[in-house]
Amino acid sequence: GAVVSQHPSRVICKSGTSVKIECRSLDFQATTMFWYRQFPKQSLMLMATSNEGSKATYEQGVEKDKFLINHASLTLSTLTVTSAHPEDSSFYICSARLNRDTEAFFGQGTRLTVV
Amino acid sequence: QQQVKQSPQSLIVQKGGISIINCAYENTAFDYFPWYQQFPGKGPALLIAIRPDVSEKKEGRFTISFNKSAKQFSLHIMDSQPGDSATYFCAASWETSGSRLTFGEGTQLTVNP
Repeated sequence: GAVVSQHPSRVICKSGTSVKIECRSLDFQATTMFWYRQFPKQSLMLMATSNEGSKATYEQGVEKDKFLINHASLTLSTLTVTSAHPEDSSFYICSARLNRDTEAFFGQGTRLTVV
Repeated sequence: QQQVKQSPQSLIVQKGGISIINCAYENTAFDYFPWYQQFPGKGPALLIAIRPDVSEKKEGRFTISFNKSAKQFSLHIMDSQPGDSATYFCAASWETSGSRLTFGEGTQLTVNP
């Protein structure tokens, strides 16, 4: 399958700071990328859908001003957690697809710890 | 509201046995039902997927059974191996590519040697 890479794999930041997570499609151009959040031993919850060159669509209950998503190119989407708090500590996972008719592939995830 | 319910939460199987995980969905607009395998600290990886016009799909040791009228689907892992020990998620989507996924709660599978 296609390769989707996230960076960093782990990050620790101080409360109140912002942290950026990158999601890259390495061998295909991703018109759409998705961001999920997963708490320990829980399921994945879709946070937002980002289409290249347009604003992200956020799921109900997700604060768009807190979780800034940018999809400026066909191979890169970024998620910025602004003014992070300990309750934002979670596993953030992206997925990417070429188009509506192709499978979406997941990245390896980013473990965020806010201290 | 949880649209995809998964059971059991955890499952222990002996090597060589059959692992069975069940899911039920509510939204009849769902059109794509994948199963994912996730190892600790990793993203989920697609195992097998099915569409509602098919009642069963088999790939190697993995089989999906789908019951459209009951709005249920299940994953069967034949000849379970210790390397299959992972968390399994069912999911559903109303997009053909399964991109905007609604996940089940997950099943922690342990296969004892």
